[in-house]
Amino acid sequence: EDQVTQSPEALRLQEGESSSLNCSYTVSGLRGLFWYRQDPGKGPEFLFTLYSAGEEKEKERLKATLTKKESFLHITAPKPEDSATYLCAVQSRYYGGATNKLIFGTGTLLAVQP
Amino acid sequence: DAGITQSPRYKITETGRQVTLMCHQTWSHSYMFWYRQDLGHGLRLIYYSAAADITDKGEVPDGYVVSRSKTENFPLTLESATRSQTSVYFCASKSGQGVGRETQYFGPGTRLLVL
Repeated sequence: EDQVTQSPEALRLQEGESSSLNCSYTVSGLRGLFWYRQDPGKGPEFLFTLYSAGEEKEKERLKATLTKKESFLHITAPKPEDSATYLCAVQSRYYGGATNKLIFGTGTLLAVQP
Repeated sequence: DAGITQSPRYKITETGRQVTLMCHQTWSHSYMFWYRQDLGHGLRLIYYSAAADITDKGEVPDGYVVSRSKTENFPLTLESATRSQTSVYFCASKSGQGVGRETQYFGPGTRLLVL
C-alpha cells in the first residue's frame, strides 16, 4: 500500500537555525513527489516537484532533495515567515488508469521564533 | 488571474440536508480534484475528473456526488450530510499528465460544519 510518513510532526526553530524535514514514502513506482506549504486557514501552496532520485530543487531558503525512499526539505536560516505546515505527497506510477491520486503525509508544523 | 476559487468558504448545515460545494478554475486545466482534510488523516481524495463529463472515485467517495458539465467547474454535492462529513474541503486542478504537468494547484478551501 502506498504510504507517506512525515517527521517530525512539529518543529520549533529559532530564526536562523537551519534544519530539515523528512518525508519517507512507500510507493509502487514513483511518478512524482510534491512539497506544499500550508498556512492556517488556507489551501496548500505548491513548492516543488521531484521526479527521480538524486534530483534537487531550491527556492529561496528551501531546498528539496529526493532519494529512492525519502525526501528532505532543508530550510536554511529560516525566518518567522517560514512558519507553516509543510506537506509532502507522492504520486504512484501505477494507481488506476490515469495515476492521478496524490498520497499525502500528515505534515510537519514548523514554527520559527524571532 | 483568479486561478482556482471555491464557494462558499464557510458553511454550516444540518444532518440530512443536501449541500453543494462549488469549485471554479480559470486555467482551463483538464483535471480537477476534490479532497477533504481532517486532523490525523491529511488530505484524502474524494473524486476527480479528467475532463468534462469524465469523473472517477478517489479514496473516500461514499456520500458524495460530483459532476462536470463544463471544464472550469467541478461541484461536489453531499446528498444527505452526516456529522462525519464535517471537514475542510479543497478543490485542486492540474493541466494534464507527464513531466511538468502533474502538479496540482489548490483552492482556498471550504470549511463545512454539519450539526
